[in-house]
Amino acid sequence: SQQGEEDPQALSIQEGENATMNCSYKTSINNLQWYRQNSGRGLVHLILIRSNEREKHSGRLRVTLDTSKKSSSLLITASRAADTASYFCASFNFGNEKLTFGTGTRLTIIP
Amino acid sequence: DAGVIQSPRHEVTEMGQEVTLRCKPISGHNSLFWYRQTMMRGLELLIYFNNNVPIDDSGMPEDRFSAKMPNASFSTLKIQPSEPRDSAVYFCASRGRPSSYEQYFGPGTRLTVT
Repeated sequence: SQQGEEDPQALSIQEGENATMNCSYKTSINNLQWYRQNSGRGLVHLILIRSNEREKHSGRLRVTLDTSKKSSSLLITASRAADTASYFCASFNFGNEKLTFGTGTRLTIIP
Repeated sequence: DAGVIQSPRHEVTEMGQEVTLRCKPISGHNSLFWYRQTMMRGLELLIYFNNNVPIDDSGMPEDRFSAKMPNASFSTLKIQPSEPRDSAVYFCASRGRPSSYEQYFGPGTRLTVT
């Protein structure tokens, strides 16, 4: 399978806590993206980090990228009930222009 | 902007029937992607188009699957004949200029083949 792996598969935390999700991918990348999927909906793009970047912030989101380990992490700070969703990483290979999605982390925020 | 539009949202059909899924990408976007999502296999890319031309269909599972993009504002994914293992959620996504890497997903079509 060309899919990446995400860890953990499921995560439940209390509202206000921070949530960290990890992603590993298999091939060389041009960039790595994170998407959110609410139940029964399509995926929504959250943030993109390029292969020459190590960290990026967007609001309550912080993404890191370690190309030597082929891994990335997504941190959501001060979680809210509305953050309950599945989160997917997606690696972009410039050679074939494809996004390869990970298996996803199901995040549940407990009010 | 209306976003990516897919129809129908739900489709229930019997094995052997033809199924056609439809997608209208965001106006001005020149790349379109069809994905399939299942619990077992996750999110899989089936085929994608650049400027209405199919670029990579290596993810299309079998000859029973075909996709067309007759113009910049419309694409179809057809399954003929359908089988129970085709049951999944099918997503269409579009992307703007090639240097804009993010994809915009439609709400999906939930297909059930009995």
